[in-house]
Amino acid sequence: ELKVEQNPLFLSMQEGKNYTIYCNYSTTSDRLYWYRQDPGKSLESLFVLLSNGAVKQEGRLMASLDTKARLSTLHITAAVHDLSATYFCAVVPPRGNEKLTFGTGTRLTIIP
Amino acid sequence: GAGVSQSPSNKVTEKGKDVELRCDPISGHTALYWYRQSLGQGLEFLIYFQGNSAPDKSGLPSDRFSAERTGGSVSTLTIQRTQQEDSAVYLCASSLIHAGASGQGVNEKLFFGSGTQLSVL
Repeated sequence: ELKVEQNPLFLSMQEGKNYTIYCNYSTTSDRLYWYRQDPGKSLESLFVLLSNGAVKQEGRLMASLDTKARLSTLHITAAVHDLSATYFCAVVPPRGNEKLTFGTGTRLTIIP
Repeated sequence: GAGVSQSPSNKVTEKGKDVELRCDPISGHTALYWYRQSLGQGLEFLIYFQGNSAPDKSGLPSDRFSAERTGGSVSTLTIQRTQQEDSAVYLCASSLIHAGASGQGVNEKLFFGSGTQLSVL
């Protein structure tokens, strides 16, 4: 059974600081997704990482994928308050099953 | 439509009653998913429809849960004899599966609806 773990589960950081959220998964996969969820809202797609070594950046967020280590990172640079949200990674198992398994989520709070 | 539409947005029901939750996916999207999110928790997979293939029902928690997708479009999730532990936000998502380099289907990304908040009293 595919398991997806994120750490930390909760993260408070000051504006202007850098930090990284980690997503580990238990079985082979070559595709990983990052989503953002604001309180009381639905999920919004951030990144789709489709191969080993893939790196994508949008504003202050950068995501990368290491399929050999079964690890993805979401790096936040010079955090600002509007990045406060819960961030989820999701993984697709190999061989044609498109069922996404989501991680536990990381609740990020940016403190002014 | 412009996005994934779910109805109702909120549903309060009494224990033991049946409920139906509706999802209208983005037009042309071949894949449709149902997930459940309990308060402060992650997303729990329920069921996945892809085109005309048999749905992946492996996440349905009990035989009280069932889902249909009619005509490859609208989907209904039905919960019979609701229990308090069924209280959660039920999220629907749709996506377009396209052929990858190896010919295998590849999911670009899921578009989520705003969910149905189900409260069982």
